[in-house]
Amino acid sequence: RKEVEQDPGPFNVPEGATVAFNCTYSNSASQSFFWYRQDCRKEPKLLMSVYSSGNEDGRFTAQLNRASQYISLLIRDSKLSDSATYLCVWMDSSYKLIFGSGTRLLVRP
Amino acid sequence: DTEVTQTPKHLVMGMTNKKSLKCEQHMGHRAMYWYKQKAKKPPELMFVYSYEKLSINESVPSRFSPECPNSSLLNLHLHALQPEDSALYLCASSKEGTNYEQYFGPGTRLTVT
Repeated sequence: RKEVEQDPGPFNVPEGATVAFNCTYSNSASQSFFWYRQDCRKEPKLLMSVYSSGNEDGRFTAQLNRASQYISLLIRDSKLSDSATYLCVWMDSSYKLIFGSGTRLLVRP
Repeated sequence: DTEVTQTPKHLVMGMTNKKSLKCEQHMGHRAMYWYKQKAKKPPELMFVYSYEKLSINESVPSRFSPECPNSSLLNLHLHALQPEDSALYLCASSKEGTNYEQYFGPGTRLTVT
């Protein structure tokens, strides 16, 4: 089983839509989780850290479900500029980042 | 300011060349990382420096040699690379050790001919 599993997509949604991505992880000891976005041929950019209680930043909401070992990212009111690959990431006990393979989002006009 | 800079942006080198990639951050971060990313794949960790000491080497071939001259700089020395080493090389940093969010530089796109 992969350490981090993500639906590769692509998710093709109209502007203004709400879209949600899930990601499952295999190591229950993991403490830290993150969502990064990556545009084509660019570096990953930290979108948000995911805390036990979940957190919200504008149109973006991240949730952590430790019992089921998944994290989610909800994007409300999608913009064209949200088109990117979203990487689910967790940190293992040696502080190494474990990346999912990414979920591609396409927001159409 | 969460800026990590990398030079050069692009590099083409032959298999007998020696070249170096450079990374710099002025955020006071004490952990720095090298990653390799192939097309349509997630980044793969290569090396971690924590407080200027090499703390993780992910079994990277010796043709890649990292160096951390000071807390702001990270180099990756390249020698006798293979065409399959062509990839985007990303540098990242995090504050006060390795259990914090990592911020990535724009990367060096390397082509080995």
